Amino acid sequence: EAGVTQFPSHSVIEKGQTVTLRCDPISGHDNLYWYRRVMGKEIKFLLHFVKESKQDESGMPNNRFLAERTGGTYSTLKVQPAELEDSGVYFCASSRQGEWNTEAFFGQGTRLTVV
Amino acid sequence: AQSVTQLDSHVSVSEGTPVLLRCNYSSSYSPSLFWYVQHPNKGLQLLLKYTSAATLVKGINGFEAEFKKSETSFHLTKPSAHMSDAAEYFCVVSTSSNDYKLSFGAGTTVTVRA
Repeated sequence: EAGVTQFPSHSVIEKGQTVTLRCDPISGHDNLYWYRRVMGKEIKFLLHFVKESKQDESGMPNNRFLAERTGGTYSTLKVQPAELEDSGVYFCASSRQGEWNTEAFFGQGTRLTVV
Repeated sequence: AQSVTQLDSHVSVSEGTPVLLRCNYSSSYSPSLFWYVQHPNKGLQLLLKYTSAATLVKGINGFEAEFKKSETSFHLTKPSAHMSDAAEYFCVVSTSSNDYKLSFGAGTTVTVRA
């Protein structure tokens, strides 16, 4: 069974540009989450999808961030325009629906550097 | 509200000696607690989890953790460190009131000396 995969693994962009991160969850996992770790800080929750619906996006830092999950399958996280403070590692995770404490499986992360 | 404090940002041990990674949590509700590990250039991997069953939880690769409610702690241990244990470890909490939000500790980097 394939795990959670994220693309790209690394991205270096200039301030003001747009970047789109992609996450492919484990097949059959209704829950999909985005987390972010800014340099020197804890990993922080960004948002949560249940299938194609946004369940909670309270962790999204501002309106420069837009997440979508087309058809309840893969998800994208777009940053437009990117700022220096957006640099960090973006993690995606997925889990089965139903059990609130079920294991979340994480991808390897996308390291975003804004210069 | 829930939060996690990992008491050591870095731990260095000799191969074959015990490893102790300390974690304290705060939660208004009965928590679920997890330890995740991240090896270089890899994703976060679940080591073990506590979900209100046995307080002593055994995980993969010889790790175990004990949930102590009176001390609000969930320390991770391993009797004998291996070189492959060098990684960053995260203590994580979630609660039934916030069933999808994992709250991470700052992480502990483990170095294993030969």
